[in-house]
Amino acid sequence: SQTIHQWPATLVQPVGSPLSLECTVEGTSNPNLYWYRQAAGRGLQLLFYSVGIGQISSEVPQNLSASRPQDRQFILSSKKLLLSDSGFYLCAWDGTSGSYNEQFFGPGTRLTVL
Amino acid sequence: GENVEQHPSTLSVQEGDSAVIKCTYSDSASNYFPWYKQELGKGPQLIIDIRSNVGEKKDQRIAVTLNKTAKHFSLHITETQPEDSAVYFCAAREYALNFGKGTSLLVTP
Repeated sequence: SQTIHQWPATLVQPVGSPLSLECTVEGTSNPNLYWYRQAAGRGLQLLFYSVGIGQISSEVPQNLSASRPQDRQFILSSKKLLLSDSGFYLCAWDGTSGSYNEQFFGPGTRLTVL
Repeated sequence: GENVEQHPSTLSVQEGDSAVIKCTYSDSASNYFPWYKQELGKGPQLIIDIRSNVGEKKDQRIAVTLNKTAKHFSLHITETQPEDSAVYFCAAREYALNFGKGTSLLVTP
């Protein structure tokens, strides 16, 4: 069966510091991978998605970036964090064919920028 | 692009009552409609979904209905229990998944 991991689970960082969040998926190959942010409140904002190694699409321009160095690894980064980057970051995956694919979420990373 | 509206934003019911959450979407090309449950501090969990060639789907106490003509779909939870308390998200997709803003459901004993 497929599983998705995120780490760290929680992170407290000062403003201006760098960021690296990691997501890995097990039990599948060539998944579509997604990064979402959930700020105060409940909405899910899509940040990045990737359909393959080295292929990244950005939905919202900001000081964050994403990379996919391996098939089942997705990394969210920032060179300098802002206060507004605080939130709950979720990684998700789904299949690669058709439009009926179920999307599954990881456990999330709670980021607090002080 | 797709726009998904979800109502109500908060819902409080007594244990044993039914809860209904409604969503509308704008893109008639959307053909897959999942529902997620998110408990505090956790990632959203897929609880049920429906595809555009189906009008209704049921899984124990949870059911989802879809009206493609009116472009709306609903989540129905019967015999609610306190553990049903969570935030529920609807979504619609043709390709990218577009989420509603969520409904905070509280089931009181």
